[in-house]
Amino acid sequence: DAGVTQSPTHLIKTRGQQVTLRCSPKSGHDTVSWYQQALGQGPQFIFQYYEEEERQRGNFPDRFSGHQFPNYSSELNVNALLLGDSALYLCASSYRTGNEQYFGPGTRLTVT
Amino acid sequence: QKEVEQDPGPLSVPEGAIVSLNCTYSNSAFQYFMWYRQYSRKGPELLMYTYSSGNKEDGRFTAQVDKSSKYISLFIRDSQPSDSATYLCAMTGGYQKVTFGIGTKLQVIP
Repeated sequence: DAGVTQSPTHLIKTRGQQVTLRCSPKSGHDTVSWYQQALGQGPQFIFQYYEEEERQRGNFPDRFSGHQFPNYSSELNVNALLLGDSALYLCASSYRTGNEQYFGPGTRLTVT
Repeated sequence: QKEVEQDPGPLSVPEGAIVSLNCTYSNSAFQYFMWYRQYSRKGPELLMYTYSSGNKEDGRFTAQVDKSSKYISLFIRDSQPSDSATYLCAMTGGYQKVTFGIGTKLQVIP
């Protein structure tokens, strides 16, 4: 049973650039949530996708956007990167927007 | 005031000790409570998932929720060096965003 997968594992970008991160949910799951985890902090909720629509959003600017595909996989896009966007980006999947979320290994983004 | 408060530690215990990890929260709407374990540079792993007040046991792990005090705990019995990790509490009102604590770093010394 495949768990949540994310790509790429690591990414280095320059300020002002744009980045796309990808996530495939656990088999049987249809909901994807994205989190940002800064060093030494807990994950912060960015947004959640269900039925290809953004259902909920945390306190993140519009530079953060996403998409969910018919196969339930998802992308997170960040525009106009800032140094403060450097973090571990985590994807979590669940069934029917449920609370029992399973996390992927994360993508470590470094903005220089 | 943060919605979820968690002592970041670090907490060091000898192998075999009983570990107690705790979180307090301020949002009365929270009904679902989770504990995650996160190893360094890895994604969080779901350990325990509980609804409302009460206890739940799974092997060496016991989760307790006291909604009247807005206080949740995770107990680890017979702690092992492999339990060394950061433990994150998380909670939600249900079908809403999940709010995490900062995480407590635990070190179990052989």
